[in-house]
Amino acid sequence: SQTIHQWPATLVQPVGSPLSLECTVEGTSNPNLYWYRQAAGRGLQLLFYSVGIGQISSEVPQNLSASRPQDRQFILSSKKLLLSDSGFYLCAWSRRGGQGTQYFGPGTRLLVL
Amino acid sequence: SQQGEEDPQALSIQEGENATMNCSYKTSINNLQWYRQNSGRGLVHLILIRSNEREKHSGRLRVTLDTSKKSSSLLITASRAADTASYFCATDVAVDRGSTLGRLYFGRGTQLTVWP
Repeated sequence: SQTIHQWPATLVQPVGSPLSLECTVEGTSNPNLYWYRQAAGRGLQLLFYSVGIGQISSEVPQNLSASRPQDRQFILSSKKLLLSDSGFYLCAWSRRGGQGTQYFGPGTRLLVL
Repeated sequence: SQQGEEDPQALSIQEGENATMNCSYKTSINNLQWYRQNSGRGLVHLILIRSNEREKHSGRLRVTLDTSKKSSSLLITASRAADTASYFCATDVAVDRGSTLGRLYFGRGTQLTVWP
C-alpha cells in the first residue's frame, strides 16, 4: 500500500530564517507530487506541483521554492521566511495517468514569529 | 478563477439528520471529487464522480453532478458526530481532447458540525 510522510509535524521559526519541509511517498513510482498551503479556516492554495524529477511548476510567485531530487521526494524551501508564510502545509501525490485523485500527507503546521 | 465554490460555508445539524453541501464550478471538467478534512489533519478522498455520471453512492454518501449547471451536491445521510469536519469539492479541469492539467482546483470548503 502507498503511504505519504511529511515532517516535521510542527515548526516554529523566526522571520528571516530558512525553511525546509520534506515529503516522501512510499509504495508507488512516478507519482505526481503537490505542495499546498492552507490558511486558518480557508481552502487550499496550490503552491507547486511536479510530474517528474526536476520538473516543477509554480502556481503562485512567492519566496518559496520546491525541488524534487528523487522520484518520491518533494521538498519545499525558503531562504528567508516571512510572517505571511505561516500556515498549514500539505503535501499530496496522485497516480500518473490516473483520474487525479490525490492522497494527502498529515501536514506541517508552520508558525513564523 | 476555476475553483469550485462550496455552499454553505458552515452547516450545523443534529445527529441523525441529513447534511447537504453544494459545489459550483466554472469550466468543463473530467471529474469532480469530494474530500474531507478533520481539524489539523490532511485531506481524505471520499468520492469521485466522472463528468458523464449523474449520481454516485458510497455508503452514507450520495453525490450528484449536473454538468449543465456546473454544480454538484454531497449528501451525507443519517449524520453522526464523527462526520464533523470540513468538506471540499475539487475539480479536474478538462483541456483539449479530455486531457487533464494534472492538478485539482479546490473550493474553500464547508464546515460541517454534527451535534450529538
